[in-house]
Amino acid sequence: NAGVMQNPRHLVRRRGQEARLRCSPMKGHSHVYWYRQLPEEGLKFMVYLQKENIIDESGMPKERFSAEFPKEGPSILRIQQVVRGDSAAYFCASSRSGSSYNEQFFGPGTRLTVL
Amino acid sequence: DAKTTQPPSMDCAEGRAANLPCNHSTISGNEYVYWYRQIHSQGPQYIIHGLKNNETNEMASLIITEDRKSSTLILPHATLRDTAVYYCIVRVNIGGTSYGKLTFGQGTILTVHP
Repeated sequence: NAGVMQNPRHLVRRRGQEARLRCSPMKGHSHVYWYRQLPEEGLKFMVYLQKENIIDESGMPKERFSAEFPKEGPSILRIQQVVRGDSAAYFCASSRSGSSYNEQFFGPGTRLTVL
Repeated sequence: DAKTTQPPSMDCAEGRAANLPCNHSTISGNEYVYWYRQIHSQGPQYIIHGLKNNETNEMASLIITEDRKSSTLILPHATLRDTAVYYCIVRVNIGGTSYGKLTFGQGTILTVHP
């Protein structure tokens, strides 16, 4: 049973470009979460999605960031007009259900570097 | 979610038990205690969770005090590969209402040495 997959593993963008990060949840999981880890800092929740719905986006920056989880295909975290402060590791997690007694399984992360 | 307090760092000798404490004095009745760890640069890994009873799995044991204000994660025979940041997290479980996010604190850096 394949785990959570994220790609690309490393992404380099210049300031002003767009970054698209993809996350394929574990088989049978319909809930996806995105977290960001800035250099030398802890993990911060960004957004929680269920198929085609955003459940909680309280951790998402108000501008330039968006997320989706379409009926078919992976979840996408999109960052428009990237700035150097967006450089971080972005982790995706999935769970079978959103209820809190189901653990979240994390992917290996995407390391975004903005030049 | 309730705030947790963990020591910033701990050391443990290889082969010995590692006991990682966590205080969650404001935990409420519908909150579970979860433990995750993050080995350098990797995605966090689920370890164990519990509500009020002690729990054990193939990775670790979780001891929760009777008043639920603190807990201890026990790695019975620590290895060098257990060197990681360990996070204690409390999460709400509201029946019928899903709320899945994890709130990570600073965690405890556990260093296992030979």
